[in-house]
Amino acid sequence: GAGVSQSPRYKVAKRGQDVALRCDPISGHVSLFWYQQALGQGPEFLTYFQNEAQLDKSGLPSDRFFAERPEGSVSTLKIQRTQQEDSAVYLCASSLRRQSPSYEQYFGPGTRLTVT
Amino acid sequence: GESVGLHLPTLSVQEGDNSIINCAYSNSASDYFIWYKQESGKGPQFIIDIRSNMDKRQGQRVTVLLNKTVKHLSLQIAATQPGDSAVYFCAERRMLIGSTLGRLYFGRGTQLTVWP
Repeated sequence: GAGVSQSPRYKVAKRGQDVALRCDPISGHVSLFWYQQALGQGPEFLTYFQNEAQLDKSGLPSDRFFAERPEGSVSTLKIQRTQQEDSAVYLCASSLRRQSPSYEQYFGPGTRLTVT
Repeated sequence: GESVGLHLPTLSVQEGDNSIINCAYSNSASDYFIWYKQESGKGPQFIIDIRSNMDKRQGQRVTVLLNKTVKHLSLQIAATQPGDSAVYFCAERRMLIGSTLGRLYFGRGTQLTVWP
């Protein structure tokens, strides 16, 4: 079956532009996570959804970051007025279980964002 | 071959040798630990997990050891193969105070290279 997919895979944005990153989780997965992974580092938690409810957004680094999952499936991470420090790989993960985070967390391939 | 995790982020081993990847975690309240494998251009892939009430767990060719006294985690890979070449991350789960929600915190990662 299909895994977690993310689009675009690569995004180059000029500083100040807005970007939207999409995540298609595995069908039927309740939990959805966004992570930010800087070069050479481990992923860092950004936010968590249980169905359409955003239960934890305390990892979002600033109010320029916004995530939504309006119908409890596809999620979008939006970054407004991008800055160079936003350059990173943005990973999405989904899990069948409700509790966060669970062991059966499946990651997508990520979107590599480069802000010039 | 053996790495010291955060202080030696690379490990090179000969095909067929055993590998040991180490990780020091920071929070004694962490209740659950996961090892992930991340190949270039891909998202992290679950390898094996262990709960804090265990000190050893075995999978196929992999063993995770947990020493809570010194807050140390290790991943042992038996008969390492070229396909094992990747970055390996340990992750610890910390539950949010007063909540059923938790969050994964990833270590820096160790690059494992297997030579034929």
